[in-house]
Amino acid sequence: DAKTTQPTSMDCAEGRAANLPCNHSTISGNEYVYWYRQIHSQGPQYIIHGLKNNETNEMASLIITEDRKSSTLILPHATLRDTAVYYCIVRAAMATGANSKLTFGKGITLSVRP
Amino acid sequence: GAVVSQHPSRVICKSGTSVKIECRSLDFQATTMFWYRQFPKQSLMLMATSNEGSKATYEQGVEKDKFLINHASLTLSTLTVTSAHPEDSSFYICSARAQEWGALYEQYFGPGTRLTVT
Repeated sequence: DAKTTQPTSMDCAEGRAANLPCNHSTISGNEYVYWYRQIHSQGPQYIIHGLKNNETNEMASLIITEDRKSSTLILPHATLRDTAVYYCIVRAAMATGANSKLTFGKGITLSVRP
Repeated sequence: GAVVSQHPSRVICKSGTSVKIECRSLDFQATTMFWYRQFPKQSLMLMATSNEGSKATYEQGVEKDKFLINHASLTLSTLTVTSAHPEDSSFYICSARAQEWGALYEQYFGPGTRLTVT
């Protein structure tokens, strides 16, 4: 079972920041927060991950609350190509075991409008 | 990021035949590969996990004799759908996890294979 909850959908205007929330209130101390996205009819694409500190890369920023029970993925300047389903997943750091699997929930559908 | 390829990207087969899908990690060695299935408007469902040189571990409800997985090398895993039926029509996606990739074992996905059984 997915250990995260996300809104079903959201939209934002092209060029604006898209803030995608995720709740993971039962996250364990050794679990990371991962974000993937899936553009229609393609395989999932890795975006970013973090443990407790905020993270930023060329695609997005990840803001994790101090209690680690929720996080927000930020796409700073959304484009039409960012329209996709975004999955927030928690996963243990260890490479083996059930908790190391990436289990996908329903994700949030982001629609970027012109 | 690392690149994972799948072949074929699309396949149409007749009911009762078998179909093989290949998954390759192109620029890294993957000790573990995963096979997912995705039906329309649904999320990805993990079918099985395979480790190089050993038998695959199937998720509950996935028939191991129907979905044969072979992970013979660190860069190649295959999924064979045997005696395919229309209800097996789906989007099959593989994923590979690097043997060593910094502090964590990251997982990358292939582009998927659309299987249609007529």
